[in-house]
Amino acid sequence: EEQLVESGGGLVQPGRSLRLSCTGSGLRFGDFTFAWFRQAPGKGLEWVGYIRSKGYGGTTETAASLKGKITISRDDSKSIAYLQMNSLKSEDTGVYYCTRDHGGWNAFDIWGQGTMVTVSS
Amino acid sequence: SYEVTQPTSVSVSPGQTATITCSGDKLEETYACWYQKKTGQSPVLVIYQNNKRPSGIPERFSGSKSGSTATLTISATQTTDEADYYCQAWDYTTVLFGRGTQLIVL
Repeated sequence: EEQLVESGGGLVQPGRSLRLSCTGSGLRFGDFTFAWFRQAPGKGLEWVGYIRSKGYGGTTETAASLKGKITISRDDSKSIAYLQMNSLKSEDTGVYYCTRDHGGWNAFDIWGQGTMVTVSS
Repeated sequence: SYEVTQPTSVSVSPGQTATITCSGDKLEETYACWYQKKTGQSPVLVIYQNNKRPSGIPERFSGSKSGSTATLTISATQTTDEADYYCQAWDYTTVLFGRGTQLIVL
């Protein structure tokens, strides 16, 4: 079964950094682009950014509102994608989801269960 | 990235047809897809490339697009369809995501 599992969430103080992980299993991880979305409490889903497969340069795209704040990377040897977030604020609180870009479908077809990030002192 | 617009909520009676629209200039040039998001659960892709259903999605879910408007239609709506539905499109390398439509089944 193709699966994504996020980890690394938790309680973090304002101003600190946090790195989330997205571990894939049952799929050819290196062949795909992976994206991150988030959902703040009571709010809608928000696209955060994505990282292309090495075949497409391994480059990243980030939502305009988050440029300079986040870094997305990947380690295909471990089947992990990372989301590094810096200078965290309370408005970064929410559930963070990792998802796979199917590629041929122009859509995100597999989603992880999400990991909760709470930014609070 | 909210350059596609959806209604905040749509209400439907069980067994009736629910229609959720998504509009935006970029939809003229790109595919639309739809996600279902229930509280406490991960999003689920229900429609891709305007009108295709992934395996496992019931046939009562259908999609269409005309010009700059995409539409998600749920026929014979069930109470279990109550969820938030998000429209998604692409602007070259940027993901366009709607604010979501709450489908109320009552």
